[in-house]
Amino acid sequence: AQSVAQPEDQVNVAEGNPLTVKCTYSVSGNPYLFWYVQYPNRGLQFLLKYITGDNLVKGSYGFEAEFNKSQTSFHLKKPSALVSDSALYFCAVRGGSQGNLIFGKGTKLSVKP
Amino acid sequence: KAGVTQTPRYLIKTRGQQVTLSCSPISGHRSVSWYQQTPGQGLQFLFEYFSETQRNKGNFPGRFSGRQFSNSRSEMNVSTLELGDSALYLCASSLWMEGNSPLHFGNGTRLTVT
Repeated sequence: AQSVAQPEDQVNVAEGNPLTVKCTYSVSGNPYLFWYVQYPNRGLQFLLKYITGDNLVKGSYGFEAEFNKSQTSFHLKKPSALVSDSALYFCAVRGGSQGNLIFGKGTKLSVKP
Repeated sequence: KAGVTQTPRYLIKTRGQQVTLSCSPISGHRSVSWYQQTPGQGLQFLFEYFSETQRNKGNFPGRFSGRQFSNSRSEMNVSTLELGDSALYLCASSLWMEGNSPLHFGNGTRLTVT
């Protein structure tokens, strides 16, 4: 069975500092990996995805994620955090091309000025 | 291009009643998925439709059902509501069912069961 783990419920970062939101996954076969962000009272917004190719994936709003097959991880990163990045971040995985998308529990990112 | 539209935004129902939620996908998108979001369980997959056929189903009781119309619009129905059904119900559409198609979410319907 496929699963996603986001080990941190909350990440606190000072504005201007780099941020990392962690994600590990378990799937059979090649993973399709995604990051989404959710602002209060809104749906999820797609940030980036990894399907194949370069392990470093760049996405929206300056975010990037690094795929590590040996560690089965897909951590979300940003070189310089903004207060407006404060939100709930979800990692998601789809095992294979036809499976449904499974989401992690989410990590609340708080960026302080 | 208009995003995914979910109606209504808010609903208050009583235990035992039934409810129907509506979702209009992005124009041209043929796949529609439904998720339930609660603070305790997070995002849980309900079902996915493509070309009016249910392609995948999550682990929810039969009280939860859905359908998709020929114009790709989708509805989900919950019968005999329970307090535990209170949640944010999210609909998402994608161009295809293929694994690399990202989901585009609506803003959800907040259902409160009293």
